[in-house]
Amino acid sequence: EADIYQTPRYLVIGTGKKITLECSQTMGHDKMYWYQQDPGMELHLIHYSYGVNSTEKGDLSSESTVSRIRTEHFPLTLESARPSHTSQYLCASSHRGRNQPQHFGDGTRLSIL
Amino acid sequence: DQQVKQNSPSLSVQEGRISILNCDYTNSMFDYFLWYKKYPAEGPTFLISISSIKDKNEDGRFTVFLNKSAKHLSLHIVPSQPGDSAVYFCAASGVYNQGGKLIFGQGTELSVKP
Repeated sequence: EADIYQTPRYLVIGTGKKITLECSQTMGHDKMYWYQQDPGMELHLIHYSYGVNSTEKGDLSSESTVSRIRTEHFPLTLESARPSHTSQYLCASSHRGRNQPQHFGDGTRLSIL
Repeated sequence: DQQVKQNSPSLSVQEGRISILNCDYTNSMFDYFLWYKKYPAEGPTFLISISSIKDKNEDGRFTVFLNKSAKHLSLHIVPSQPGDSAVYFCAASGVYNQGGKLIFGQGTELSVKP
């Protein structure tokens, strides 16, 4: 059973607000990922991390930023939310090494008014 | 360009019968393939994976087949149960992918009817 938690599950907020989406895992995984998914579409990687103090951008351009100060914690921040940021955000983690499955949280569904 | 494709957006199967979900990929550098199941309002749940050195992997009712020459993989569920009704995503990764990122297909919604 995967133990990866995302909060909040749902967030409706006005334009211009600063938002932080939380993601924590208790599996001791080194690698963590953020994906974005629009309804009916595939998941797209927006950020990933190999471990503490490592962050990289994914292949989908995103105005969000991430940090990795602790192994278990990988928050995503939007400094000034816009309606174009409305989407579902999914966090995942995996063990280091090749061919390791990623385990996902239940996601945050974000709506910017 | 879409590197991983699931051409059937939906599939309906009778309980007890076999469900076959298909996935095609274009990048010959992919060497690890996975299937995920997703219920509404939940994140994807890992089901089964296969590396490119194999052509079949089995786990209980779930079997994944890989045909490298055709760049095709399939997920067989036998027997299908109503609780299997969900959206199924195939995903792929390769040695040159950023940090082992997964490339996902668009998903196939499976409906298993009692």
